[in-house]
Amino acid sequence: QVQLVESGGGVVQPGRTLRLSCAASGFTFSGHGMNWVRQAPGKGLEWVAVIWYDGSKKWYADSVKGRFTISRDNSKNTLYLQMNSLRAEDTAVYYCVRLLGWSLDCWGQGTLVTVSS
Amino acid sequence: QTVVTQDPSFSVSPGGTVTLTCGLSSGSVSTSYFPSWYQQTPGQAPRTLIYSTNTRSSGVPDRFSGSILGNKAALIITGAQADDESDYYCVLYMGNGIWVFGGGTKLTVL
Repeated sequence: QVQLVESGGGVVQPGRTLRLSCAASGFTFSGHGMNWVRQAPGKGLEWVAVIWYDGSKKWYADSVKGRFTISRDNSKNTLYLQMNSLRAEDTAVYYCVRLLGWSLDCWGQGTLVTVSS
Repeated sequence: QTVVTQDPSFSVSPGGTVTLTCGLSSGSVSTSYFPSWYQQTPGQAPRTLIYSTNTRSSGVPDRFSGSILGNKAALIITGAQADDESDYYCVLYMGNGIWVFGGGTKLTVL
């Protein structure tokens, strides 16, 4: 079955960088767009970024544009999120989510990123 | 900036029917927004219930259904059960590669 496993979260100081990974299995990874969605503690869901199935197109939420970069390696079935210039407000659980058509369907379990000095 | 609106909270009696809605601060929701619905309990990842307006995700009971009602997307839960008590989120595709989530509805079953 579809499995998405995020990793790379942790505690990081403001202004520093972190890279998240999402290992995909159970489906044809190269045939689907992929997203990152985050959830700050006690808050709702926020869409962060999407990358097309072949990496040809990428879009970002205004809150992360210019600081975060989404990428993928279809040979490794892995999605990435490079996060630079991290801020306290980036503290959240980050979920990897598969794109099915124009809908977000399968979710990983998430990885927690804490930005704190 | 368009905001996706959801009622912050709702309650339903066990066995009852509840309709949760997902609207826009400006304009009407249509199938072109590909509305999807997710259920989340504390400490867990969201679970997809409905996508593309009314397609039930694999394994989701048929007492969950989705539609467009008036100018909003709707999630209808019939025969509510205690374990339906959760947070429910909708998301809309705004075009140009952008998705926006609603603020979520906390459903209480009592």
